[in-house]
Amino acid sequence: GAGVSQSPRYKVTKRGQDVTLRCDPISSHATLYWYQQALGQGPEFLTYFNYEAQPDKSGLPSDRFSAERPEGSISTLTIQRTEQRDSAMYRCASSRDSNTGELFFGEGSRLTVL
Amino acid sequence: AQSVTQLDSQVPVFEEAPVELRCNYSSSVSVYLFWYVQYPNQGLQLLLKYLSGSTLVESINGFEAEFNKSQTSFHLRKPSVHISDTAEYFCAVRRGRGSTLGRLYFGRGTQLTVWP
Repeated sequence: GAGVSQSPRYKVTKRGQDVTLRCDPISSHATLYWYQQALGQGPEFLTYFNYEAQPDKSGLPSDRFSAERPEGSISTLTIQRTEQRDSAMYRCASSRDSNTGELFFGEGSRLTVL
Repeated sequence: AQSVTQLDSQVPVFEEAPVELRCNYSSSVSVYLFWYVQYPNQGLQLLLKYLSGSTLVESINGFEAEFNKSQTSFHLRKPSVHISDTAEYFCAVRRGRGSTLGRLYFGRGTQLTVWP
């Protein structure tokens, strides 16, 4: 697509529920990143993909968090057994490759865990 | 790990006044530096970047930033702001080599509000 698209834009869920967020990157971009941004903080790296490979997932805060990009395009971020501390804006970004440093961000998915 | 400090969380200024948004980083290795901007209800957009060469970099809308290696700073400046510059500004760094290329470390952001 023309830009990075994320869905849903807003998600409210109850503690303990599973949540899946979706990211559709710019179609020509090989690299896709997930960031988490808590209120009043800057985005923090979670994980990234080069096509379908996931070379670095060191930023995922716990094993409740997982991400996939099975066909090298659309990616999902799943949070299992959500907790209130998971409430944040989740930002997806894509870039032509992992060297350029210019990331194109989507509008984000705001998750609220009650 | 990288650390990026944006000391000012809020910067209010009047239109046509100059502004400086401060950014300091901690690193003992070469880094690449970026400023991203987030306008209301939009995603983050790259404003400008320093990769190498001239330490002064400029954006198309009049912002500039200067890489100062000795002070580990990358402050963002504009000599005369417009109301449309109201946005949140994020400073970010990336390691020049090693680790995950493309992984950015962000500051907490500075909200610039321009008043008429």
